[in-house]
Parts: sequence; C-alpha cells; structure tokens
Amino acid sequence: RKEVEQDPGPFNVPEGATVAFNCTYSNSASQSFFWYRQDCRKEPKLLMSVYSSGNEDGRFTAQLNRASQYISLLIRDSKLSDSATYLCVVRDWGGGFKTIFGAGTRLFVKA
Amino acid sequence: EADIYQTPRYLVIGTGKKITLECSQTMGHDKMYWYQQDPGMELHLIHYSYGVNSTEKGDLSSESTVSRIRTEHFPLTLESARPSHTSQYLCASSLRDSTNTGELFFGEGSRLTVL
Repeated sequence: RKEVEQDPGPFNVPEGATVAFNCTYSNSASQSFFWYRQDCRKEPKLLMSVYSSGNEDGRFTAQLNRASQYISLLIRDSKLSDSATYLCVVRDWGGGFKTIFGAGTRLFVKA
Repeated sequence: EADIYQTPRYLVIGTGKKITLECSQTMGHDKMYWYQQDPGMELHLIHYSYGVNSTEKGDLSSESTVSRIRTEHFPLTLESARPSHTSQYLCASSLRDSTNTGELFFGEGSRLTVL
C-alpha cells in the first residue's frame, strides 16, 4: 500500500464547477500536510498547507481528518487556469523529516 | 519566486556518457533534495542532503551520485548514462527542520533523454 494515495483522475469539469479531491495517508504519526500544484512539464509549487481546523485561501479549502487519516481539497468556481495536477503531500518524522508525495490528481477545467 | 536553479534544462545524450546536472540555490537552505519524475508519475526521492558534506540516498535506488561541498550547490552525476536514466530530475531545497514550515522549493527541472 502506498504511503499517500490519491485518485489519479482525470477530473474533467466545466468552468465554474466545484471539485473536490481526496487523499489518504497510512502513517498515523504524520506531522504536516500540504497540497502542491504541478502544471504540465513544470515543477511542483506549494498551493497551501493543511491545518487540523481546516483552512481556506480564496476559492480553495483544505480539510484534515486525523482520525480517518484523510485530507481533502475543495476548489470552488473553477477557472481554466486551475487545470493542473494536484499533489497531496505528507511530512513524517522518522529521525528527520521525510516528505512524501502522492501521485497526484489531474484536473482539466473546460470552457 | 524561488531562487533555485537547475542546468541544463534539457539534455539529449548518448549511452555511456558521463553527465552532471547542476543545482544551485541562493536562499541559504540547509536541506537539498533530488527527485526523479517520469511523465504522469509521482516524484521519487533519490538523494538528499542535510548540509555541507552530508549526502543520503533516498527511497528510490539510483545509479547517480551527489555531492555537497558548498551549501548552495548540490550537483547530481551519472557516470555512464543509459536509456533507463531518461527522466525528469527535479532539485529542491528547504529550511532546516526546526524552522521549517515543510515547504519545498523546486527548481524547474532537468529533462534528460539518453539515446
């Protein structure tokens, strides 16, 4: 079983739609959680950190459920520019911090 | 914008050649990493460094080697390139763990094709 699992998609949605991505992680002792965005043939960039209380950044909302070891990302009012791969990232402590990337969920937003 | 740079961005080379992928960062970050990523696939950590003279192998076995003689510089070397080494190589850096929010800053990547 992979340490971080995501639905690979692709998700094909029209502009203006709301889309939700899910992610599960296997290590209950995981410390920190993030969503990164990766455009086609580009490097990953941090989209937002995920806090236990949930957090929002504009149209993006991230949620964490530690009991279920589950992370989500909600995108409201999708834009064409939101088309990308969204990577769920978990940071574990094992004598040093270890960053684990999920395989990513691909999103295509169409006009 | 992150101040981490990789060269070359693209490299097409024949089998058996020695190659070095350069990575430099101007943020004073202690930790640096090399990831390998095939198209449409996840990132795999192949090397990392906690600081000068520190290098460790990552989760994915790699025939490449790295060195960290200066804080800002973390080159990756393949002594004899093979077609199986064809991939994108992404360099990243982050702050020391005690002050780290967890964010990794990535370079734009080096896309290697071995014929």
